[in-house]
Amino acid sequence: NAGVMQNPRHLVRRRGQEARLRCSPMKGHSHVYWYRQLPEEGLKFMVYLQKENIIDESGMPKERFSAEFPKEGPSILRIQQVVRGDSAAYFCASSPLEGVNQPQHFGDGTRLSIL
Amino acid sequence: DAKTTQPPSMDCAEGRAANLPCNHSTISGNEYVYWYRQIHSQGPQYIIHGLKNNETNEMASLIITEDRKSSTLILPHATLRDTAVYYCIVRVEYGNKLVFGAGTILRVKS
Repeated sequence: NAGVMQNPRHLVRRRGQEARLRCSPMKGHSHVYWYRQLPEEGLKFMVYLQKENIIDESGMPKERFSAEFPKEGPSILRIQQVVRGDSAAYFCASSPLEGVNQPQHFGDGTRLSIL
Repeated sequence: DAKTTQPPSMDCAEGRAANLPCNHSTISGNEYVYWYRQIHSQGPQYIIHGLKNNETNEMASLIITEDRKSSTLILPHATLRDTAVYYCIVRVEYGNKLVFGAGTILRVKS
């Protein structure tokens, strides 16, 4: 999984706090995807972003979750007022171009634990 | 995206070929077959993908049947480090998200 950098690797928050997860895509990649893996479950798509645009957020919970991918800097997945059910592994993937059959490459994830 | 069906688990002896099947009987003409794997506590790792021709890279080979309704991922000489969950995913050519199923747990045993 070299190339896609996620930080922090582990994040602990108390209920009601905010969590910010960062993702730096591979060099030359301008498309970012976020996925969530709940304990003992499969990966679920959350959101797809290009620079400064959200393309598909069909998998994002309607409240408390937001994502951005600014012109400069990493993509951020933000979870406000965290609850115990937000405990999961959050994975970011990137790809170079949309629609040219490029595979997505994943980072090693951020493990979020809510106390 | 078409649905895929994979066996829940398989065992393979170290050094032998691991053949992982995937059924995608509802696949349409513009959908590709992708394979990823996830080793415990790591992010998914891209392995290979194809449309209708067989494909090979340094990691694996992908055999797609002529009617494209099923495919097989082949790890030619499995090692203990190949123990992982293997996901077969069908994705449209201009699609974005990957839809992960339960995958196949491959256990390579010495």
